[in-house]
Amino acid sequence: AQSVTQLGSHVSVSEGALVLLRCNYSSSVPPYLFWYVQYPNQGLQLLLKYTSAATLVKGINGFEAEFKKSETSFHLTKPSAHMSDAAEYFCAVRERNDMRFGAGTRLTVKP
Amino acid sequence: DTGVSQNPRHKITKRGQNVTFRCDPISEHNRLYWYRQTLGQGPEFLTYFQNEAQLEKSRLLSDRFSAERPKGSFSTLEIQRTEQGDSAMYLCASSLGQGAVGETQYFGPGTRLLVL
Repeated sequence: AQSVTQLGSHVSVSEGALVLLRCNYSSSVPPYLFWYVQYPNQGLQLLLKYTSAATLVKGINGFEAEFKKSETSFHLTKPSAHMSDAAEYFCAVRERNDMRFGAGTRLTVKP
Repeated sequence: DTGVSQNPRHKITKRGQNVTFRCDPISEHNRLYWYRQTLGQGPEFLTYFQNEAQLEKSRLLSDRFSAERPKGSFSTLEIQRTEQGDSAMYLCASSLGQGAVGETQYFGPGTRLLVL
């Protein structure tokens, strides 16, 4: 079965600093990978997805992620953090008809 | 596009009571999914429908849980004889397509259940 592991349950950055949220996947077939964001008391919103086209995927709100097969990684980055980026971020892999989510990383942005 | 809606947003119930949640997907979406999310965890798949047919159920979906999607539109998730372990956020998602793995699922705001 496919799965994802998110390294670091909490990440704290200063406003304007680089955001790096880590995700590693386990899959015996080419994976389809997703990053979602969840704001308090809200559902999940898709940031970006990798579906075997370009390895560097650009998403909404200035986020991007790079698929690295050799490292089995799909880390999420943003060059400059904004206060509004504070939220919970989930990496997920599509397994047949369901999504397998990581445990999430809570991003805190300090002024 | 009004997005996926879920009702109620919050539900508090006593152990042993039955509860029912409703999900209204994006109108043209033929696939509908239910997930459960506990504190500090990512969502876990429960079940999904293609149109009105329930095509897959997770082992997490015990016999106290039942889901329906009459006429392939809205869906309901019922939990009978609730237990404290059922306390969680119940998320609904919908998508359009034939189940391609790259297909995007759009999530609703969730129903937060607290069983006392």
